[in-house]
Formats: sequence, C-alpha cells, structure tokens
Amino acid sequence: DTAVSQTPKYLVTQMGNDKSIKCEQNLGHDTMYWYKQDSKKFLKIMFSYNNKELIINETVPNRFSPKSPDKAHLNLHINSLELGDSAVYFCASSQGQGAGEAFFGQGTRLTVV
Amino acid sequence: DQQVKQNSPSLSVQEGRISILNCDYTNSMFDYFLWYKKYPAEGPTFLISISSIKDKNEDGRFTVFLNKSAKHLSLHIVPSQPGDSAVYFCAASKTGNQFYFGTGTSLTVIP
Repeated sequence: DTAVSQTPKYLVTQMGNDKSIKCEQNLGHDTMYWYKQDSKKFLKIMFSYNNKELIINETVPNRFSPKSPDKAHLNLHINSLELGDSAVYFCASSQGQGAGEAFFGQGTRLTVV
Repeated sequence: DQQVKQNSPSLSVQEGRISILNCDYTNSMFDYFLWYKKYPAEGPTFLISISSIKDKNEDGRFTVFLNKSAKHLSLHIVPSQPGDSAVYFCAASKTGNQFYFGTGTSLTVIP
C-alpha cells in the first residue's frame, strides 16, 4: 500500500507536447510538493500546496502548473515541453509545511526528445 | 542559491567500518534537519532527523550529529553494511517553510 504514488514512472515525449504527472498520497498529510532532480542530482523544490492553496512557487517557468483537486492529490501539468525539462520529478507530502519528514513518491523520469 | 551542501559526491567504506557523511548549510534559521536514503529508480526515503535544539540523535546504527555553530551536520553509520549502499541526501528546513536538499553523497559499502 504505497504512501505516495505518482504516475507514470517513465514518460518519453516530443518537444512541444503537453503532459501531466499525477500524484496521490494516502497519509492524510496536508502539504504536498513537487521536486525536480536535474542531471546534477540536485533536488530542487518546484511547488508546494497546503490545504489546496499554493504557498510556494519557486522560479519555474509558467509552463509548469500544479493542480490540486483535493488534499490527497497534486498533479503537475507541463505545457510546450522543452528539451531542458528532461529530469526526474518527485512528488512528496508532509504533515505541515517544512515540518516532520516528507514522504516521497518513486519519481517520474521525463525525457523530452 | 544552494543553502544545503554535500561536498563529497561519493564515499567508499569497508563492511563493518564506520561511514561518515557530511553536510553543511548556510541558513542559520534552519531548525530541522533530515537525512534521506535513495536507491536507484526509487524516491528518497526518510532515515533520521534532528531538531536544532539537539546536537545528537541516534536510531540503531544511524546517528546524526548537529553542530550549529559550524552549520554542519553529519550522519554516522556503524557498522556499515552492503545494504547501506545508496545515495544519501541531507535536507534542512525552517518549520513553516520548504525543505532544502543537498546534492547527495553516493555511499558504497564494500563486502
């Protein structure tokens, strides 16, 4: 019974396409995050949602948009994909913003060709 | 702006010996520190944490030490086992704010 699950695990797509990555957590946490791990292995925060409200939005392109239909879900939509978007994207959740431990999904490896 | 740094990208240790992984941070407002372990093709999994009011936290073979004056924390694994081979990420946060992660240290425990 996976605590934080994200789909798909692998995503290969062409430049210019629009794609979505889904994330669900069954831990009852009130905060969810999206992280990007680039080629340098640096885990960088992209967004976080607390009680369906965006509270952090790092300087990511507005082609990326998080959508949270409810507390248990935080999906990531990416428009007009570019080669530089290729990375591993991790969803995570925690109880409280920056508090306690964050639980991570298995990651989605996005490859833009 | 990388507020959490792990300057050693890799570390090799003999089985049974101690593994010491280091982490430095720049933001004195951080009050919560964590270590995560990551296997290939999996997400990071929580290992151990420490609050800024403590200088040591121990959980089985894993101990985290915090030196606030030096803005430095370390993870000690004793004794090291081959199953400990993974990438270890250090993370820090100010409660109410986001988690900041280091770039990871790849640990190899040699049987």
